[in-house]
Amino acid sequence: DIQMTQSPSTLSASVGDRVTITCRASQNIHIWLAWYQQKPGKSPKLLIFETSRLESGVPSRFSGRGSGTEFTLTISSLQPDDFATYYCQDYSSLYAATFGQGTKVEI
Amino acid sequence: EVQLLESGGGLVQPGGSLRLSCAASGFSFSAYGMNWVRQPPGKGLEWVSGIPGSGGNTYYADSLKGQFTISRDNSKNTLYLQINNLRAEDTAVYYCAKERFTTTVADSFDYWGQGTLVTVSS
Repeated sequence: DIQMTQSPSTLSASVGDRVTITCRASQNIHIWLAWYQQKPGKSPKLLIFETSRLESGVPSRFSGRGSGTEFTLTISSLQPDDFATYYCQDYSSLYAATFGQGTKVEI
Repeated sequence: EVQLLESGGGLVQPGGSLRLSCAASGFSFSAYGMNWVRQPPGKGLEWVSGIPGSGGNTYYADSLKGQFTISRDNSKNTLYLQINNLRAEDTAVYYCAKERFTTTVADSFDYWGQGTLVTVSS
């Protein structure tokens, strides 16, 4: 089974900061990675798919990079609405998906 | 507007069963694969199961096979998850999630329901 490890688990930042979250896969997953944002009491929201493709309506301050086993989600200038928990998701295996454990971005 | 509305959660005793439903609207339901993802209180997301738009083959997380049965009724635009032999560790919010692409299962998920809470306790 593929394991997805996010770092850090918690990130403290301020409005305007550039923030980067890392997601590492236990084996090569090519570009088959998505990122989600989840706020307390809400369902997850798709931000990025196929490593770097921005979902419609997602602000351009969000970007994704990587390939193989190491991936990053970057928020170029953190906004108040961005304080949330972020999850990466591998979908390289046919008919199976694996999430990372999450990264909480807090003030 | 795409909407996914889960129902069927609640308090159930260990060993019991539940059937969750997810009513879909705002898109061509039969064209898209659908999934169930769960989240224990205060913890992360876990993919549970997926089913293609046609409702043919079904897919499950390896660690959860045998306990869950996913199905869909395209005439009712509804997704289901039957959960048997419930245990305390199955306590979670269960979300239904729509595939972003028409040809995939367990790919990226562009719409999620609000979730339904299943609590397993005596």
